[in-house]
Amino acid sequence: DQQVKQNSPSLSVQEGRISILNCDYTNSMFDYFLWYKKYPAEGPTFLISISSIKDKNEDGRFTVFLNKSAKHLSLHIVPSQPGDSAVYFCAVVTQGGSEKLVFGKGTKLTVNP
Amino acid sequence: EAGVAQSPRYKIIEKRQSVAFWCNPISGHATLYWYQQILGQGPKLLIQFQNNGVVDDSQLPKDRFSAERLKGVDSTLKIQPAKLEDSAVYLCASSLHLGQGVGTQYFGPGTRLLVL
Repeated sequence: DQQVKQNSPSLSVQEGRISILNCDYTNSMFDYFLWYKKYPAEGPTFLISISSIKDKNEDGRFTVFLNKSAKHLSLHIVPSQPGDSAVYFCAVVTQGGSEKLVFGKGTKLTVNP
Repeated sequence: EAGVAQSPRYKIIEKRQSVAFWCNPISGHATLYWYQQILGQGPKLLIQFQNNGVVDDSQLPKDRFSAERLKGVDSTLKIQPAKLEDSAVYLCASSLHLGQGVGTQYFGPGTRLLVL
């Protein structure tokens, strides 16, 4: 039973356009959400996070939106660049004390020049 | 600052053989994690250490997997005996300490294991 769902295995966008990656979660008690980015043959790197007390967090070209009622979050990348091509994982903290992360399956983003 | 180091980067073994992976976390990081990432899936936590004590090993298949973190620094993860379904990338991550704030797990490059 997946607690974190990324239903789009892949996404292709043109350079300069917006990339929108989506993530759904099952438990309304989750209160901290993260996005990680992974290049081939490298480990995931932390990108951006959001707590449940906010509905938006922005860091440069990256913005994460949280819709608690829909149990949905999304990552917007504007403008998209070829170097953004990677696999993006959504993750949630399931136990605040242990900082245990549960990851989605990931979405492979391809930004075409 | 040096990142999380892992070795070997690649390993091919036959089923029923044993294998061990090594991880050296970022200096000063008290918390260490081992994840298993099967192709097409997200990383799944196997075990979490705080210094040299286990915080969470609820998803570690203890009949064949073992892990230790002697002296609270380096860690090894062992599989004995390996099965075909253990083919995956094994990721090690570290963070400064519990309660610092989430999102601060730093991952190593991983060890890609293929069991034939």
